[in-house]
Amino acid sequence: AQRVTQPEKLLSVFKGAPVELKCNYSYSGSPELFWYVQYSRQRLQLLLRHISRESIKGFTADLNKGETSFHLKKPFAQEEDSAMYYCALRLSAGNNRKLIWGLGTSLAVNP
Amino acid sequence: GAVVSQHPSWVICKSGTSVKIECRSLDFQATTMFWYRQFPKQSLMLMATSNEGSKATYEQGVEKDKFLINHASLTLSTLTVTSAHPEDSSFYICSAKGTSGRYEQYFGPGTRLTVT
Repeated sequence: AQRVTQPEKLLSVFKGAPVELKCNYSYSGSPELFWYVQYSRQRLQLLLRHISRESIKGFTADLNKGETSFHLKKPFAQEEDSAMYYCALRLSAGNNRKLIWGLGTSLAVNP
Repeated sequence: GAVVSQHPSWVICKSGTSVKIECRSLDFQATTMFWYRQFPKQSLMLMATSNEGSKATYEQGVEKDKFLINHASLTLSTLTVTSAHPEDSSFYICSAKGTSGRYEQYFGPGTRLTVT
């Protein structure tokens, strides 16, 4: 079955420290992976998608098919990065290609 | 950028009444809209997927007669919670996917429903 696992419910780091939010997936098809972010009192928004191989707000994520992972990384965390981060997997076929969501990781960046 | 609105942003209703939540894509046409439910400090739970002009596809465990979804146009989808009960109290979020070929979903701000 398709599944997205974010093992850390809460991650707390100090400002300037590196941060890595883990995401592992289970899917037999060709995966499309996304990271969404939800800042306090704001709507959910797309942060990164693996296809773009881009860096947004200093965050990067590399799809590792061997390890079935799509970890989100930032070398120097900022206080404004504090938010809820969700990893999502889009299925390659069927039912409008819905997203399968992880449970989310709450990132707290302390001053 | 693509904007999705929801109305109302919050609603309080009495047990047994019905509540309608609207989801609109403001500057793009949404062929597909998704309805999610989010409990406090938990992930999003997909309730149903709707395509304009056709019946919604509900996820397992979601009562289609209780959560009526209508997607009558390319810019509007509605979720009606019928005969609401306190356990239906939750945060309901819609998202929309456009026709342009881009694949990300754009999310609405959510609707907080409280059933007393």
